[in-house]
Amino acid sequence: QKEVEQNSGPLSVPEGAIASLNCTYSDRGSQSFFWYRQYSGKSPELIMSIYSNGDKEDGRFTAQLNKASQYVSLLIRDSQPSDSATYLCAGRRNNDMRFGAGTRLTVKP
Amino acid sequence: DTGVSQNPRHKITKRGQNVTFRCDPISEHNRLYWYRQTLGQGPEFLTYFQNEAQLEKSRLLSDRFSAERPKGSFSTLEIQRTEQGDSAMYLCASSSMSSGSYEQYFGPGTRLTVT
Repeated sequence: QKEVEQNSGPLSVPEGAIASLNCTYSDRGSQSFFWYRQYSGKSPELIMSIYSNGDKEDGRFTAQLNKASQYVSLLIRDSQPSDSATYLCAGRRNNDMRFGAGTRLTVKP
Repeated sequence: DTGVSQNPRHKITKRGQNVTFRCDPISEHNRLYWYRQTLGQGPEFLTYFQNEAQLEKSRLLSDRFSAERPKGSFSTLEIQRTEQGDSAMYLCASSSMSSGSYEQYFGPGTRLTVT
């Protein structure tokens, strides 16, 4: 079992819809979680981080964390074609960051 | 703040050759990380520096890999006697201990192709 698991997708949503990306983790000692966006051939770009149970909003993005269920999600509201990318979930314990394999999102105009 | 930079951006080498990559972190970021990423996978941790001290190294990391951060600023990653399986994107990231957030910011990466 991988420490951080994501549905590889692809996930396809129409422009303007809400995209929901999910991630589960196995290490209960994980202290914080991160969502990165990665365009093809480029390096990961940090979207947001979350440390506490509940929701954290930043613009069109909302991260959700449920430590009891070991579940992290990212919602993208009003999805745009420019949001088409691979989204990486990562969990951190101390200085050890573990990444999922990513979910590929396609936003269709 | 110019971001994390990496050089070279691309490297093609023949099997058995040594290669060295450089990473310049965001200024004043005292934490520096090296990752390797292959197609369809997330970044895989290789090693971590806090200032000039190498504090963690992946158990999966071959002895052919070595990294340094001599003055706590830039870092180099060397791969000796390269193998075709070393072909990957090598990513460097940095973070600030003072921020307390552990948010890591990645450089553009060095894509290595071993022929």
